[in-house]
Amino acid sequence: DAKTTQPPSMDCAEGRAANLPCNHSTISGNEYVYWYRQIHSQGPQYIIHGLKNNETNEMASLIITEDRKSSTLILPHATLRDTAVYYCIVRVGNSGGYQKVTFGIGTKLQVIP
Amino acid sequence: DTGVSQNPRHKITKRGQNVTFRCDPISEHNRLYWYRQTLGQGPEFLTYFQNEAQLEKSRLLSDRFSAERPKGSFSTLEIQRTEQGDSAMYLCATLGGGVSTNEKLFFGSGTQLSVL
Repeated sequence: DAKTTQPPSMDCAEGRAANLPCNHSTISGNEYVYWYRQIHSQGPQYIIHGLKNNETNEMASLIITEDRKSSTLILPHATLRDTAVYYCIVRVGNSGGYQKVTFGIGTKLQVIP
Repeated sequence: DTGVSQNPRHKITKRGQNVTFRCDPISEHNRLYWYRQTLGQGPEFLTYFQNEAQLEKSRLLSDRFSAERPKGSFSTLEIQRTEQGDSAMYLCATLGGGVSTNEKLFFGSGTQLSVL
């Protein structure tokens, strides 16, 4: 899997948009960008993923640059419950078979009241 | 609740004892991962099963560690002769078996191991 680079920490005011960047300059053409988050003492939780088009779901939006070398996860109206560590990973999303999935240290997002 | 169940949630043991953790995956998921996570770090890959076959093991998985997945259902991770450095959160995650662009890892809540 390609490596990703994320800032170790970020702050965001409650009610504002949180924009979490991720660099994945060595991403391959068949690799998707996935985002997970981990709230303290729980397992990581899937948020969203995409290949090259921007994606939106009930939790967040994902913006992927045209060259696919970076992406941004957007939480449109951050709440205190969004305080968590956010992981960006890249992996083949349609393999049906084995692939190693590796995590970096992620970005610790602190939402401030 | 993701549908992946891990037991126990917490385990405190003395150095030198053996411990075993269990993961019950989502029933139709044939791919299963074990990870270890220490404070301030992301999950580190330990091992992977596809059905009952253990296809990859990390070098982190010393000979004191063994994992099984009999009949491709639940999985167990055993640590023999525990050391204080084994203290960590042990996470289980599963992937569905179909070929799909929506493959997502589903994680359990983990087992927090403390070795005294």
